[in-house]
Amino acid sequence: DIVMTQSPDSLAVSLGERATVNCKSSRSVLYSSTNKNCLAWYQQKPGQPPKLLVSWASTRESGVPDRFSGSGSGTDFTLTISSLQAADVAVYYCQQCYNVPPTFGQGTKVEIK
Amino acid sequence: QVQLVQSGAEVKQPGASVMVSCKASGYTFTSSYMHWVRQAPGQGLEWMGVVNPTTGTTTYAQKFQGRVTMTRDTSTSRVYVDLSSLTFEDMAVYYCARGPGTTYSFDYWGQGTLVTVSS
Repeated sequence: DIVMTQSPDSLAVSLGERATVNCKSSRSVLYSSTNKNCLAWYQQKPGQPPKLLVSWASTRESGVPDRFSGSGSGTDFTLTISSLQAADVAVYYCQQCYNVPPTFGQGTKVEIK
Repeated sequence: QVQLVQSGAEVKQPGASVMVSCKASGYTFTSSYMHWVRQAPGQGLEWMGVVNPTTGTTTYAQKFQGRVTMTRDTSTSRVYVDLSSLTFEDMAVYYCARGPGTTYSFDYWGQGTLVTVSS
């Protein structure tokens, strides 16, 4: 199985400041035939199911604010919240869809400083 | 709009089985795979398996092989997960989650079903 490791486990950022979550996969998740990375990011608020924010490493889903952006390729990926809002307090998960079983990172808790 | 509505919370004894259902609406049921993902209290997300609504073909995570069965009913646009031989470690929120097309990411999720295992 591909192991997904996120860092940090938690971070506290001031309102309006940048938050960065990192995700590393134990193997490349890049499809060489399409040059696309099968990597997704989810946001989960307490008592709610996860919500898909970004697919294919950098494609923001419809309706997701543009302060959220995904980047990276191969084994190293980043989710950036450019200007943290109170509504962004949540746990964020990366997930690889390159191989079965699909696997998730352990989650990163983002809070307000 | 796409909606996935799951059945209600369950309380089961160790060794019992539990079945959770998920009703899909707002899209063509057979156009997308349906996955089951669970989350133990305070823990991360764990993929259990997937069912192809068109053919009924399933793929399960190795951890659950022999203990899980996923089925679908195209007449009611429902998918089901049946987990047997429950232990305390199976206590979790169980989610159905749609995969866009045949991919193994998850664009819509059910509200979750809490399964409590208690003696």
